[in-house]
Amino acid sequence: QVQLVQSGAEVKKPGASVKVSCKASGYTFSSSGISWVRQAPGQGLEWMGWISIYNDNTNYAQNLQGRVTMTTDTSTSTAYMELRSLRSDDTAVYYCAKGGDIYEAWGQGTLVTVSS
Amino acid sequence: DIVMTQSPDSLAVSLGERATINCKSSQSVLYSSNNKNYLAWYQQKPGQPPKLLIYWASTRESGVPDRFSGSGSGTDFTLTISSLQAEDVAVYYCHHYYITPPAFGGGTKVEIK
Repeated sequence: QVQLVQSGAEVKKPGASVKVSCKASGYTFSSSGISWVRQAPGQGLEWMGWISIYNDNTNYAQNLQGRVTMTTDTSTSTAYMELRSLRSDDTAVYYCAKGGDIYEAWGQGTLVTVSS
Repeated sequence: DIVMTQSPDSLAVSLGERATINCKSSQSVLYSSNNKNYLAWYQQKPGQPPKLLIYWASTRESGVPDRFSGSGSGTDFTLTISSLQAEDVAVYYCHHYYITPPAFGGGTKVEIK
């Protein structure tokens, strides 16, 4: 079955960068894009962006432009999301999801804590 | 950008009773060329990632119990749980994927009365 397994929790200082991985299995990796969604503690879901596995086209949320980069490694069926210049309000659980519009499957989430 | 507004923020329903969640988009998410509403519903239980329940406004995802149904078109949508079960306690989110950026509603928390 489709599975997305994300990397473990991270603690970062303000101004640092974090790179979260999302390893896919159970389907043809190149057949579907990967989206990233984050959820601040006790809050709702926020779309961060999307990457096409087919041609590496990306689309990022405007409020993250310039700080976020999404990439893929088709040899390992893994997607990555890097967020730079971290601030305290970037503290959240970060999810990857299969699909560019309908999110059929989700990773388990990666908690990123930004604290001095 | 399209803004999604859900109501109510929370509701408490007795076991076996109906739960109704509303979602309104700031502009239509109905694509006229294919007559599809670009609207999905997700369920999120505590400590878990969201789970897809409904897409195209009314198509139930495989494996989702038939007590969950979606309806509506254009800008007004509803998720109905026909007979609430204990395992349905969760936060429910609507989500449009009509244009970029896609967006989620603020969520509706469903509890047992």
